[in-house]
Amino acid sequence: RKEVEQDPGPFNVPEGATVAFNCTYSNSASQSFFWYRQDCRKEPKLLMSVYSSGNEDGRFTAQLNRASQYISLLIRDSKLSDSATYLCVVAPQAGTALIFGKGTTLSVSS
Amino acid sequence: DGGITQSPKYLFRKEGQNVTLSCEQNLNHDAMYWYRQDPGQGLRLIYYSQIVNDFQKGDIAEGYSVSREKKESFPLTVTSAQKNPTAFYLCASSKWTGGRSGANVLTFGAGSRLTVL
Repeated sequence: RKEVEQDPGPFNVPEGATVAFNCTYSNSASQSFFWYRQDCRKEPKLLMSVYSSGNEDGRFTAQLNRASQYISLLIRDSKLSDSATYLCVVAPQAGTALIFGKGTTLSVSS
Repeated sequence: DGGITQSPKYLFRKEGQNVTLSCEQNLNHDAMYWYRQDPGQGLRLIYYSQIVNDFQKGDIAEGYSVSREKKESFPLTVTSAQKNPTAFYLCASSKWTGGRSGANVLTFGAGSRLTVL
């Protein structure tokens, strides 16, 4: 089993749609979880950290399910500018280097 | 403004040549990292450094070398031993949590795109 797995997509949705991405991780002792966004041919940028209690930032909601070892990202009211690749990122233990999933590509169309 | 600067942005290399990619940060971060990204692939860790004069191999260190003589700088050399060096190279930095729980949020440079001719 790969350490961090994501559905590569692409997810093609119209503006205004709600879309959800899931990510699974193999190390049950993993400590920290993040979603990064990467635009085409650009560097990844932190979108949001993922906390056990779940967290929301505007149209974006992240959830963590430790029992099932998966992380989700929900995007509501999709905008054209949301088109990007979303990377699921996991820290296997505190203070270690992060492990990146291959990313899920989202394309929002008008 | 604080950030990470990578240079050059684009680099072409002939087979058999070594090349060095520069990475400088002024964020006062302790840890620095080098990742490689191939089309359709996730980021793979090449090397990372938690402190000056110390660094550790990542998952794909073969054919690469690094140095960390200054806190601000973490150059990567792609040697002729790297058989398939054409890729997008990303440098990143973070505060090092020293083993405490907490986020290792990475800040990335804009990347260096290396092409072997």
